Amino acid sequence: DAKTTQPNSMESNEEEPVHLPCNHSTISGTDYIHWYRQLPSQGPEYVIHGLTSNVNNRMASLAIAEDRKSSTLILHRATLRDAAVYYCILRANSGGSNYKLTFGKGTLLTVNP
Amino acid sequence: NAGVTQTPKFQVLKTGQSMTLQCAQDMNHEYMSWYRQDPGMGLRLIHYSVGAGITDQGEVPNGYNVSRSTTEDFPLRLLSAAPSQTSVYFCASSYRGGGTEAFFGQGTRLTVV
Repeated sequence: DAKTTQPNSMESNEEEPVHLPCNHSTISGTDYIHWYRQLPSQGPEYVIHGLTSNVNNRMASLAIAEDRKSSTLILHRATLRDAAVYYCILRANSGGSNYKLTFGKGTLLTVNP
Repeated sequence: NAGVTQTPKFQVLKTGQSMTLQCAQDMNHEYMSWYRQDPGMGLRLIHYSVGAGITDQGEVPNGYNVSRSTTEDFPLRLLSAAPSQTSVYFCASSYRGGGTEAFFGQGTRLTVV
């Protein structure tokens, strides 16, 4: 499985933008880049995903490097509710493992009031 | 639309007891999977299913059984509970393909004494 590398923790102030980085140098051409987050005492929650182009949705933006070896999740204005563990995950689009989400330890985001 | 429903939310077992954790989804997803999460760790895959009647082992399958008789339900059975199985268990479901989001239940917190 292609692996991802994320910082263990990051800190932000409320209402400021947050850029969460992820390295995935062994990504294959058909792997999608997914981001999930886990609020305290809850199950993981989908945030966003992309393949090659940058993506925006109501929760966040995903910026994907041209060589696809890294990506950045952007929270445009952090709120206290965004404090969570953020997971960057590669999901295959074909073959026997495209069901699979392999979780690392993620990045613990702390948001200061 | 209920999404992914897990029951029970909390459970305490004695060593050697057996029990079944229930998972149901109402989105007609082909893929369902069970993860466990130990303190301070990411999620680890226990078992998964790519459709009714088809199951396979994940990363940490020992001590657990699964079956998938319907698209909607994917129960996880602990055969003889051990303290090492104390964990939070999450069920997930999704359509096939890397470009689809996964939905997670709220988890079952299991303590084996």
